[in-house]
Amino acid sequence: EAQVTQNPRYLITVTGKKLTVTCSQNMNHEYMSWYRQDPGLGLRQIYYSMNVEVTDKGDVPEGYKVSRKEKRNFPLILESPSPNQTSLYFCASSLSGPNYEQYFGPGTRLTVT
Amino acid sequence: QQQVKQSPQSLIVQKGGISIINCAYENTAFDYFPWYQQFPGKGPALLIAIRPDVSEKKEGRFTISFNKSAKQFSLHIMDSQPGDSATYFCAASKGNNDMRFGAGTRLTVKP
Repeated sequence: EAQVTQNPRYLITVTGKKLTVTCSQNMNHEYMSWYRQDPGLGLRQIYYSMNVEVTDKGDVPEGYKVSRKEKRNFPLILESPSPNQTSLYFCASSLSGPNYEQYFGPGTRLTVT
Repeated sequence: QQQVKQSPQSLIVQKGGISIINCAYENTAFDYFPWYQQFPGKGPALLIAIRPDVSEKKEGRFTISFNKSAKQFSLHIMDSQPGDSATYFCAASKGNNDMRFGAGTRLTVKP
């Protein structure tokens, strides 16, 4: 089954404790992206990757890091989480860019206390 | 800055009625306009999309109307069903990764 998986689905952590949210796709997509979803703000892009070893900032990259060492994986790293990073996070992938259908993962609900 | 403005924030429609959600964009370079549907606890999923070379696209009960000169596009759901109750996001993008989503519309279809 073609899918995007994310782990964990739910995470409660404390300020400053480094965490990683994993994302993996099995569709051989070149493009992957991370979004955060907040009430009234829709989806805002954090980082994206056009291909392996190619990553770039989206609209709200502050406080986040990513890497793309393999085509299928695109982890999101919060080096020192803060309460304003409490949000619902989605990973997505598409064939070769945002002008194609994006397939979204199930989401990760993160709470930083 | 929000480059895609979506309205209304919420919408309640009776079963069998027409649901209409509107979006306006600013950047005339956008060349792909998708609508995503999101059910509670799930990720968004592509519902229908349009490119600016056509003014309308229909897929079953779902239609996108596109007005390039007004920089507006809308989603029409005909014969709305309770199963259509979800949050709908419009978006606009161009190939170099400039992608913007609207704030979302929560649609409730009453039986």
